[in-house]
Amino acid sequence: AQSVTQLGSHVSVSEGALVLLRCNYSSSVPPYLFWYVQYPNQGLQLLLKYTSAATLVKGINGFEAEFKKSETSFHLTKPSAHMSDAAEYFCAVSESRYSGGGADGLTFGKGTHLIIQP
Amino acid sequence: GAGVSQTPSNKVTEKGKYVELRCDPISGHTALYWYRQSLGQGPEFLIYFQGTGAADDSGLPNDRFFAVRPEGSVSTLKIQRTERGDSAVYLCASSLTSGDEQFFGPGTRLTVL
Repeated sequence: AQSVTQLGSHVSVSEGALVLLRCNYSSSVPPYLFWYVQYPNQGLQLLLKYTSAATLVKGINGFEAEFKKSETSFHLTKPSAHMSDAAEYFCAVSESRYSGGGADGLTFGKGTHLIIQP
Repeated sequence: GAGVSQTPSNKVTEKGKYVELRCDPISGHTALYWYRQSLGQGPEFLIYFQGTGAADDSGLPNDRFFAVRPEGSVSTLKIQRTERGDSAVYLCASSLTSGDEQFFGPGTRLTVL
């Protein structure tokens, strides 16, 4: 069975500082990994995804994540935080079950609330 | 273009009642997913449709929960004999096909009194 652990339910950084949100996964097969962002009263939006191509994945809004198989991690980073980055961030995993690399239901972590201090 | 829409946005019901939650996926998307998000938790997978058929319903918590997608587009999540523990935000997502990016709707907030 697959699972996701997000370390830190709340992370606070100063505007302009580095953002680091941690995600560790477990999966019995090569996983697909995702980061989603949820702004207040809005739906989940995909930030980026890893699907067994390049291990360093670049997403929207300046975010990126690196897949490290040896550490079973997929941490999300952004060099310089902006006030508009304040939101809930979710890491998710899906096991690639199909020969075509399709993925079915996602298993999400509990989320990390990112707070940006002015 | 239009995204995934869900109705109603809020639903308040009494314990023991029956509820239906509707999801309109993005036009042309063949895959549709239902998730449930409890307060302070990440979304929890419930069921996934490819076309009209439920390809994976392993996340449905018990037989009070049922979902249909009769024409391969709109889906309805049905909950019988609701319990207070069913209170959550129910999210729907769709993707062009299985394995593609999932686009999420805004959710339906269900409150069981």
